[in-house]
Amino acid sequence: ETGVTQSPTHLIKTRGQQVTLRCSSQSGHNTVSWYQQALGQGPQFIFQYYREEENGRGNFPPRFSGLQFPNYSSELNVNALELDDSALYLCASSPPWSGGAETQYFGPGTRLLVL
Amino acid sequence: QQPVQSPQAVILREGEDAVINCSSSKALYSVHWYRQKHGEAPVFLMILLKGGEQKGHEKISASFNEKKQQSSLYLTASQLSYSGTYFCGTVSGYALNFGKGTSLLVTP
Repeated sequence: ETGVTQSPTHLIKTRGQQVTLRCSSQSGHNTVSWYQQALGQGPQFIFQYYREEENGRGNFPPRFSGLQFPNYSSELNVNALELDDSALYLCASSPPWSGGAETQYFGPGTRLLVL
Repeated sequence: QQPVQSPQAVILREGEDAVINCSSSKALYSVHWYRQKHGEAPVFLMILLKGGEQKGHEKISASFNEKKQQSSLYLTASQLSYSGTYFCGTVSGYALNFGKGTSLLVTP
């Protein structure tokens, strides 16, 4: 059974640029959630994808967008990068949402630095 | 909607016990517990569900008080490997909202 993988591991961008982060879900999981974790804070929910559609969204502006592909892998796109976007971006895969009882398994994350 | 964790930080000697608390202002259906070591991904520890069901795979225990909207994680006979930051998460719609974390350091 393969775990959740993310790429790249590290990324440096400048303000105003765009970035795409990738996530492959754990075998058997068809739901992917994305989180932003600033230094010293807990992960903050960005959005969740199920069956290639956005299921729910946290308090993030529209310049944060995502995609899910038929093989359940997912991308997170961030446009017009700001300095505050510097963080660890985590994706987590899980079985289909069942009212909050499903376990989410996290990938190793992509550390983004915006200069 | 973010749960509140206490304490913020704990330092233990190997073999000592610790309790980490998580409280919410909203009614809880489930509480999720994770541990994150520096530079690594959060690792699932346990889910506690309304009604008392627990799902987990580590030798830790936890409680879930639905009336008080609280959960506590019990770490007994701590080992060096228990060091890390512990997060509780509560569900709101499709989102899992995490607290700010409790930093635990176990020393020899």
